[in-house]
Amino acid sequence: EAGVTQFPSHSVIEKGQTVTLRCDPISGHDNLYWYRRVMGKEIKFLLHFVKESKQDESGMPNNRFLAERTGGTYSTLKVQPAELEDSGVYFCASSQTGQGGTEAFFGQGTRLTVV
Amino acid sequence: AQSVTQLGSHVSVSEGALVLLRCNYSSSVPPYLFWYVQYPNQGLQLLLKYTTGATLVKGINGFEAEFKKSETSFHLTKPSAHMSDAAEYFCAVSDLIQGAQKLVFGQGTRLTINP
Repeated sequence: EAGVTQFPSHSVIEKGQTVTLRCDPISGHDNLYWYRRVMGKEIKFLLHFVKESKQDESGMPNNRFLAERTGGTYSTLKVQPAELEDSGVYFCASSQTGQGGTEAFFGQGTRLTVV
Repeated sequence: AQSVTQLGSHVSVSEGALVLLRCNYSSSVPPYLFWYVQYPNQGLQLLLKYTTGATLVKGINGFEAEFKKSETSFHLTKPSAHMSDAAEYFCAVSDLIQGAQKLVFGQGTRLTINP
């Protein structure tokens, strides 16, 4: 069974450009999460989808970030326009519906560098 | 609000020595506790988790952790380090939020194994 897949693995863009990150969760996982790790800091929650609906987007930094989950399958995270402080590793995770102890499976992450 | 503190951003031990990675948490509700590991160029992988029941939890690769409510700790141990244990380790906490899992991570501890 395929795990959580993220594209691209690395992206280098100039300040002001747009970048779109993609996450394919494990098939059948209704829950999809985005997290971000800025260099030297902890991994922080960005948002949570249940199927196609945004359940919690309290961690989204600002309105330059837009996340979607088409048809409750894959998800995209768009940053427009990108700023230097957006650089970091963006992780996607998915999990089955269940209680809080349900395991979240993480992708390898997308390393975004804004120059 | 929940929070996690990992004592020591870098830990170095000799091969065969005891590994001890410290984690303290803060939570206003009974927590779910996790340790994740990230090997180079890979995603986060669940090592072990505590939800309810036995406070000593055994995980993969010989790791274990003990939930101590009185000390609000969830330290990770392994009796004998192996070179393959070199990685970054993350402690995380969550609670039961709407049946899903929103993780709050510590800053991570990078473990180096000396031959």
